[in-house]
Amino acid sequence: QVQLQESGPGLVKPSQTLSLTCTVSGGSISSGSYYWSWIRQPAGKGLEWIGRIYTSGSTNYNPSLKSRVTISVDTSKNQFSLKLSSVTAADTAVYYCARVGRLTTGYYFDYWGQGTLVTVSS
Amino acid sequence: QTVVTQEPSFSVSPGGTVTLTCGLSSGSVSTSYYPSWYQQTPGQAPRTLIYSTNTRSSGVPDRFSGSILGNKAALTITGAQADDESDYYCVLYMGSGSWVFGGGTKLTVL
Repeated sequence: QVQLQESGPGLVKPSQTLSLTCTVSGGSISSGSYYWSWIRQPAGKGLEWIGRIYTSGSTNYNPSLKSRVTISVDTSKNQFSLKLSSVTAADTAVYYCARVGRLTTGYYFDYWGQGTLVTVSS
Repeated sequence: QTVVTQEPSFSVSPGGTVTLTCGLSSGSVSTSYYPSWYQQTPGQAPRTLIYSTNTRSSGVPDRFSGSILGNKAALTITGAQADDESDYYCVLYMGSGSWVFGGGTKLTVL
């Protein structure tokens, strides 16, 4: 059973960089059948796709966040990470990591982390 | 930027049938968008219900079904139960490893 767990600071100051890591267990992040993705959800609002990474390191980001987002992967640790720069209060949200399928595995989010709340405040 | 549209809210009686839809601000939803559906209750991570338009995820009751209706993807709940009261999100695959979430539908069972 694949499990994902987000970790990182729960409080970030405005204008600083938000950094989160997702640790994958029960499966290899190097599996060629999946992408690895970040999604966020402000309180009381809907889900927003942030971006994804493939084991090769190739990435794709939400155009609305692209200038501030970097997703990276560390296959040796079976982890992938999110960095979001120049944060404001609007970036306060629960951040989820998730596994997402590719062509042979349905292009859908099948395993999710439990989510971690990140608050942007001074 | 592409906008995926969902009804903000919907209400269904216990035992009733409800169809939630997922559309595009411009154009039609087809199977090529690999529509998927997720259920979320407060404080919980989303749970996968349907993927690739109409495939139920493991453990999902068969009262949940997915389809394309006209120019939209659809999630139908047949025989709604009290614990189906949740937020429902659709997601469309936009190609090149990118996705767009709909705004979600808050379903009330009463």
